[in-house]
Amino acid sequence: DAGITQSPRHKVTETGTPVTLRCHQTENHRYMYWYRQDPGHGLRLIHYSYGVKDTDKGEVSDGYSVSRSKTEDFLLTLESATSSQTSVYFCAISDLSGGSSSYNEQFFGPGTRLTVL
Amino acid sequence: RKEVEQDPGPFNVPEGATVAFNCTYSNSASQSFFWYRQDCRKEPKLLMSVYSSGNEDGRFTAQLNRASQYISLLIRDSKLSDSATYLCVVLSGNTGKLIFGQGTTLQVKP
Repeated sequence: DAGITQSPRHKVTETGTPVTLRCHQTENHRYMYWYRQDPGHGLRLIHYSYGVKDTDKGEVSDGYSVSRSKTEDFLLTLESATSSQTSVYFCAISDLSGGSSSYNEQFFGPGTRLTVL
Repeated sequence: RKEVEQDPGPFNVPEGATVAFNCTYSNSASQSFFWYRQDCRKEPKLLMSVYSSGNEDGRFTAQLNRASQYISLLIRDSKLSDSATYLCVVLSGNTGKLIFGQGTTLQVKP
């Protein structure tokens, strides 16, 4: 299995509080992603990173920010959590991205279950 | 309309059965196609890529029909261990990012 860990694995918090989720990889992969998974929606991309300090928005980025100060760590922050952000959050990594001839598999972390009350 | 659509199921089949899942995608510029498998409360993992000519990996066969914009996954001789959710995944030609279907749940029963 790819070396990806997420912390915390479970968190319950209250509306309006800040929350930071951490993704840590030991594969030295360039690309890192944050997804959320909700019933009826599948996995949706929140933000992604294509290198240290290089990040961009995904499909559902409102209410989230990210930071990547080191190759191995990608942080997802909810500045002020809302109940609509209750979800399962997955981090993923890949070595290459885009282009049918160069795409490589995305490896996923074990997920973080976040409940916002 | 969702960019990638799947029948969520569940598909309940007996051991040894053959089962097929279809997936449709709306963006004709989509470049690459995949099936991921996700076990209950676990992370998704790549099952197989889908090539234009069709491809097979043991009991699993994937096919792509670009003209009709659908992808299929066929599982032969189903095992109890095949019970999982199967995610259809498309590499968007517009964004270069993966687009995930909501998944099709398979339950194989003894």
